Amino acid sequence: EPEVTQTPSHQVTQMGQEVILRCVPISNHLYFYWYRQILGQKVEFLVSFYNNEISEKSEIFDDQFSVERPDGSNFTLKIRSTKLEDSAMYFCASSRGGGWGETQYFGPGTRLLVL
Amino acid sequence: GNSVTQMEGPVTLSEEAFLTINCTYTATGYPSLFWYVQYPGEGLQLLLKATKADDKGSNKGFEATYRKETTSFHLEKGSVQVSDSAVYFCALSGEETSGSRLTFGEGTQLTVNP
Repeated sequence: EPEVTQTPSHQVTQMGQEVILRCVPISNHLYFYWYRQILGQKVEFLVSFYNNEISEKSEIFDDQFSVERPDGSNFTLKIRSTKLEDSAMYFCASSRGGGWGETQYFGPGTRLLVL
Repeated sequence: GNSVTQMEGPVTLSEEAFLTINCTYTATGYPSLFWYVQYPGEGLQLLLKATKADDKGSNKGFEATYRKETTSFHLEKGSVQVSDSAVYFCALSGEETSGSRLTFGEGTQLTVNP
């Protein structure tokens, strides 16, 4: 069964450094998402991406964040200058369609720790 | 805005016990409702969903019914197994936002003892 993969599984970085989290969505999916979960808190939506552009973003997704689909298979989340509060588990997801009832398929997550 | 509230956890049960995890929501219109499960060390997997009022989603012995009148989507299973130990998330997507973003509840940790 096809699945969403994410690399790395864990990332430790110093405050102020740039990080890039990578995801390979399911191959015939057209909609891509990033969510994050700070330890002990809810899973929160960050951004959705379709047709090579952002279709929706939350208030969390400020100018420090960017997303890209550089080569038709990878989907990346870049944090330009990490802060301590960016420490979280980051989940990538993909779906075939973009409607409300569409199932989103999640990757295993990247645990980011900012020191 | 949209929100989802789950019963506080963690929940600990013995094998073969009956499970209910409560989930209520706030949303405009008719959102779609989901239960996701996260097993240790893995990502979130869809367990079941319902896209309109009175629909029942079911999978692996779990069931949940979309109740518009009580804005609820409680998860039930008649007889839990040790392998059901995981974190369960209730979620919705709906018309308030332009896309299909999921809004999640807090998650409920379930532990089933033999």
